[in-house]
Amino acid sequence: AQSVTQLGSHVSVSEGALVLLRCNYSSSVPPYLFWYVQYPNQGLQLLLKYTSAATLVKGINGFEAEFKKSETSFHLTKPSAHMSDAAEYFCAASIQGAQKLVFGQGTRLTINP
Amino acid sequence: NAGVTQTPKFRILKIGQSMTLQCTQDMNHNYMYWYRQDPGMGLKLIYYSVGAGITDKGEVPNGYNVSRSTTEDFPLRLELAAPSQTSVYFCASSVTGYEQYFGPGTRLTVT
Repeated sequence: AQSVTQLGSHVSVSEGALVLLRCNYSSSVPPYLFWYVQYPNQGLQLLLKYTSAATLVKGINGFEAEFKKSETSFHLTKPSAHMSDAAEYFCAASIQGAQKLVFGQGTRLTINP
Repeated sequence: NAGVTQTPKFRILKIGQSMTLQCTQDMNHNYMYWYRQDPGMGLKLIYYSVGAGITDKGEVPNGYNVSRSTTEDFPLRLELAAPSQTSVYFCASSVTGYEQYFGPGTRLTVT
């Protein structure tokens, strides 16, 4: 069965520092991959997606992610953290044609001033 | 364009009571989903629908029921509420089946 693993339930960085949130998937077939962000007391918003085109994907708010098939990874990065980036981030995967998403357990990002 | 709306925002139920969580989308999406979110567990799929009249179980369907009589609405029914159903419930919709748009959630407490 397909699964998504996010390494680190809580990541803390200083404002202006690099943000790196890790996501690995387990699937024999490269899936479609997504990062969602959830701000406090809100629903999830799509941050970016990989659907088998370019392996480096740019999203909203300066975030990007790189699909690496050899590492079965889809890590999320942002060069310089901003206080407004504090939120919970979810990685999700969908086998092509499955019409469903499988979510990782989430990573809470804290930004220190 | 309101997107995905959910009602109520908050609800407290007593053990054994029943309720319906409402979900409506105005984007004419065929795919709709119900998830529950528990701390540290991510989102778990309860039920989903690929179109009006068609529903299927997700990962954690026990204790819940759904129906889909129209494209717009996808209510989730809890029968005989139990403390284990205390959670935040999210409804989502999609054109493709994987790029999903989420509602704001319903926070349910069963005591």
